[in-house]
Amino acid sequence: GQNIDQPTEMTATEGAIVQINCTYQTSGFNGLFWYQQHAGEAPTFLSYNVLDGLEEKGRFSSFLSRSKGYSYLLLKELQMKDSASYLCAVRDWGSGNTGKLIFGQGTTLQVKP
Amino acid sequence: GAGVSQSPSNKVTEKGKDVELRCDPISGHTALYWYRQSLGQGLEFLIYFQGNSAPDKSGLPSDRFSAERTGGSVSTLTIQRTQQEDSAVYLCASSTSGSVVEQFFGPGTRLTVL
Repeated sequence: GQNIDQPTEMTATEGAIVQINCTYQTSGFNGLFWYQQHAGEAPTFLSYNVLDGLEEKGRFSSFLSRSKGYSYLLLKELQMKDSASYLCAVRDWGSGNTGKLIFGQGTTLQVKP
Repeated sequence: GAGVSQSPSNKVTEKGKDVELRCDPISGHTALYWYRQSLGQGLEFLIYFQGNSAPDKSGLPSDRFSAERTGGSVSTLTIQRTQQEDSAVYLCASSTSGSVVEQFFGPGTRLTVL
């Protein structure tokens, strides 16, 4: 089956660091994505991992361990505008290269002053 | 336009009516995806178009749902005999190909079935 798990809610303080975890079980794997979604808006792309290790992009970093079916998104120097939902998604390599993404439920992050 | 556009932005309909939702992908993007997002939930894959290949319809929840893509550009998602459980935000995304990293999402259509 296909299953992607991430915490429902997290709270952190402005200026701090927060790590959002994601575990997955899919029939195939061809990359893991993190998207940010502000309330009432469309998701926007944050990061992509297909090989094990850490990808860093400014204040945001994403880590992947394929053997453990595990990823995390690390947000540094938190700002109030980082309050949003963070969606973990896996590109499931089914029959053929469909490119469809399987999304987790999303983690709602609240940044407090 | 610069991004993916969808229309209408909001649609309220009565149970049993048919609705059509439209998506205009980014010019030149050959891959187009439809997702559904219910309140407080993640995105649920519905259907995927890639060029002239047969679409991946594996996510369509019932035969009341169908989609087409004319001329490799604009796509229409049709829901027949709408039910209250169809109420959700329907998101469209496009990318330059099925294997490319990033999908660009439109603003979505909020569908409410009374």
